[in-house]
Amino acid sequence: NAGVMQNPRHLVRRRGQEARLRCSPMKGHSHVYWYRQLPEEGLKFMVYLQKENIIDESGMPKERFSAEFPKEGPSILRIQQVVRGDSAAYFCASSLNLGGETQYFGPGTRLLVL
Amino acid sequence: SQQGEEDPQALSIQEGENATMNCSYKTSINNLQWYRQNSGRGLVHLILIRSNEREKHSGRLRVTLDTSKKSSSLLITASRAADTASYFCATDVQTGANSKLTFGKGITLSVRP
Repeated sequence: NAGVMQNPRHLVRRRGQEARLRCSPMKGHSHVYWYRQLPEEGLKFMVYLQKENIIDESGMPKERFSAEFPKEGPSILRIQQVVRGDSAAYFCASSLNLGGETQYFGPGTRLLVL
Repeated sequence: SQQGEEDPQALSIQEGENATMNCSYKTSINNLQWYRQNSGRGLVHLILIRSNEREKHSGRLRVTLDTSKKSSSLLITASRAADTASYFCATDVQTGANSKLTFGKGITLSVRP
């Protein structure tokens, strides 16, 4: 039973390029969460999605960032026109049911913007 | 400010000793979860304690929750060098159809062999 999978594990982009981060939740999980972790910091919530729906994007910057969780395929976090401040570790988590349940985290994607 | 704030920020102990880490939060919660993160790695879920529970055990881990004081503690007994990691508490504040975890900045635990 595979856990949450994220790819790529490491991503290097130059300023102005686009970054696409992918997350496959655990089998049977329909709730996906994205978090960002800056160095020496805790994780900060970005967005919560269910299949084909964004439930809460209150933690996601209004510009350049978008997320989706299509009916088929992984969840995608997309960052357009990356800047150095986007450099961070991005973690995806999934849960079986709504709220009150354990969120299982993937290994993260470490984005470095040059 | 953080919903969950851990204390102390760093803890260094000798192998075999117990490690106690504390977490305080501000608003009402559905549950509180503790996670471990090894350097440069993802988060590993340790234990979840619900708002109507006061204490929970899992192996060498013991978690308490005091909702009146809005605080939780994580106790690791008989620590091992492999317990060296960062530990985070996260609170789940479910409102309606929304659920998300709010993390503290973490506690760095060093267990000396």
